[in-house]
Amino acid sequence: GAGVSQSPSNKVTEKGKDVELRCDPISGHTALYWYRQSLGQGLEFLIYFQGNSAPDKSGLPSDRFSAERTGGSVSTLTIQRTQQEDSAVYLCASSSDRGLEAFFGQGTRLTVV
Amino acid sequence: KQEVTQIPAALSVPEGENLVLNCSFTDSAIYNLQWFRQDPGKGLTSLLLIQSSQREQTSGRLNASLDKSSGRSTLYIAASQPGDSATYLCAPGDGQNFVFGPGTRLSVLP
Repeated sequence: GAGVSQSPSNKVTEKGKDVELRCDPISGHTALYWYRQSLGQGLEFLIYFQGNSAPDKSGLPSDRFSAERTGGSVSTLTIQRTQQEDSAVYLCASSSDRGLEAFFGQGTRLTVV
Repeated sequence: KQEVTQIPAALSVPEGENLVLNCSFTDSAIYNLQWFRQDPGKGLTSLLLIQSSQREQTSGRLNASLDKSSGRSTLYIAASQPGDSATYLCAPGDGQNFVFGPGTRLSVLP
């Protein structure tokens, strides 16, 4: 596709359930980022993948959060045992290499009820 | 830890004005700096990327400058239009992670 694609666009889940959020980066982009934007808050870094290197997980808020990137392309962000404070817009971005222009998807709006 | 501030927090101007949005960051050891716009309920749209070795970048009516040593970047918008209304975000990067400012919410009135 022409841009970064995220699915689903909206997700409502019950507290305690697990959710998976998907990101399809721009084809050929080696760098992939996940961010979170809570209501009225700024963007919070979660995790960064670069090629085959070990990901930078320093932004993950708890061990309930994990992410993987298969085949250097699609990435999945998993949140286990969701809590209400996990409600936010989760944004994915990719760039063609480290330190180059980042392009964002439209985000997944997660609501935990 | 990188901290980013943006001034003003909000700005409302009549159409046609030239605008200046300011961004300050505390750690000058950056790899690059990117400006984005965010429309309500939408993702981020990249506007300009400035590498740490560059002083400015231009795209159409937009011009971004970078003074790395003083930890400042400025986004100039010429001849503003109602379609420019959005939140503008500044994000210095270390090559692996962008740290975002709180944004400047811009309204351009027709």
